[in-house]
Amino acid sequence: EAGVTQFPSHSVIEKGQTVTLRCDPISGHDNLYWYRRVMGKEIKFLLHFVKESKQDESGMPNNRFLAERTGGTYSTLKVQPAELEDSGVYFCASSQGTGHSPLHFGNGTRLTVT
Amino acid sequence: AQKVTQAQTEISVVEKEDVTLDCVYETRDTTYYLFWYKQPPSGELVFLIRRNSFDEQNEISGRYSWNFQKSTSSFNFTITASQVVDSAVYFCALSEEGYGGSQGNLIFGKGTKLSVKP
Repeated sequence: EAGVTQFPSHSVIEKGQTVTLRCDPISGHDNLYWYRRVMGKEIKFLLHFVKESKQDESGMPNNRFLAERTGGTYSTLKVQPAELEDSGVYFCASSQGTGHSPLHFGNGTRLTVT
Repeated sequence: AQKVTQAQTEISVVEKEDVTLDCVYETRDTTYYLFWYKQPPSGELVFLIRRNSFDEQNEISGRYSWNFQKSTSSFNFTITASQVVDSAVYFCALSEEGYGGSQGNLIFGKGTKLSVKP
C-alpha cells in the first residue's frame, strides 16, 4: 500500500510569491489533515477534510491559505501571497474511519520563504 | 487549555542503554487519546502507539514500553537496550474527545531528539 505522498519535498520562494503544496492520501482514506511545523515550535493543526468537505479549518492562520480537496482524493494547500513567517514544514496526514484513528503522515514539504 | 509538554529537547545515549522520553499533558476532557510518533531522518511521522484515557495499563512492544499515569498526567516512553536505528525525533500528542470535525486533531509536544551512538 502506498503511503501518503507530498509534493514538492522542498520549495524555496520569495516573499509575495504563490506556492501550492500537494498531498495524495492513502487510497480509501476519507480523512485528510494538514499540519505545519514552524522552526522550533510544535507541529500545529491547520485543517481537516472528510472526503471533499472541510470539517474543521480552525487552525488555518489567515486567508492567505487556501486548501482544497476536489473529488475527495488529493488535496492542495495554496499560500498566496507567501510571507516570511510561512516558512516551515507542512505535513499532510490521512486516516481511515472516524474519531481518533492513528494518522498516517507524509514526509512533509519544507517551505522556505525568503 | 490543552497542552503537551516534552521537557527533554535532546537526549544522547550510547547503544544498549535504556532511555525514557517524558511526556506530560494537560486537558479538561475526561475522554482523550494519547499518541507517540517517531520521525526518522527521512521526515515522515510514524505512528507508534495510541492509548485512550480509560486504559491505564502499561504496554510493551518489543524494546518499547509506555507508562501511562493519569494521576501525574504523564505518558512516558521507554526504549530498552537502545539501538542506533532508534535515533529520531519522538513526538507525544494528545487528541481530545472533541465534537464533530475536531475529533482526531492532534496537539503535539515539541518533540525530543534522541541520538543513539554506537
